[in-house]
Amino acid sequence: GAGVSQTPSNKVTEKGKYVELRCDPISGHTALYWYRQSLGQGPEFLIYFQGTGAADDSGLPNDRFFAVRPEGSVSTLKIQRTERGDSAVYLCASSPERGGLETQYFGPGTRLLVL
Amino acid sequence: AQSVTQLGSHVSVSEGALVLLRCNYSSSVPPYLFWYVQYPNQGLQLLLKYTSAATLVKGINGFEAEFKKSETSFHLTKPSAHMSDAAEYFCAVSAGNNDMRFGAGTRLTVKP
Repeated sequence: GAGVSQTPSNKVTEKGKYVELRCDPISGHTALYWYRQSLGQGPEFLIYFQGTGAADDSGLPNDRFFAVRPEGSVSTLKIQRTERGDSAVYLCASSPERGGLETQYFGPGTRLLVL
Repeated sequence: AQSVTQLGSHVSVSEGALVLLRCNYSSSVPPYLFWYVQYPNQGLQLLLKYTSAATLVKGINGFEAEFKKSETSFHLTKPSAHMSDAAEYFCAVSAGNNDMRFGAGTRLTVKP
């Protein structure tokens, strides 16, 4: 079946602008994760959804970052007043249930560049 | 809290040679450990995972890893490298919840 998809694949924006990044998880997966991967680093946890609710948002760096999953499927990561330091690849993953033992399936990521 | 350290940001081997990618973990509770591979412009793909069953874990593409509690290690090996193994490899640790922590990654180059 279809894997995790993310759109757009690339996004270039200017400092101070607002961006939305979309994630379509694997159908039926209840858990969804957002990660940020900076150049030369491993993925860094941002937020985890179980169903529609954010079960853990402790990884969000500040209040400019927000994510939603209103129907328990598609999720949108929203970044307000973007800064150059937000430039990174944003990865989405989904799993059948909550993480840990369950394998997380990753999308190809959205490469965000803030000029 | 959990963390992993991957020793060596770049590893280069000849085709047919042994691949050894090192990962050491730190965890206050029994860990669950993972190795992921990332090919250019693709998402991370699970190679294998340790979930407290057998300490020697076999994964896809001929890779395996051994959990050594005494050494807090989970090194990834493959007896014979193939050109198609060239990629970025990430070790990750979880306490069994949603909080998975990744290492900085090791880029594997395979020379013909």
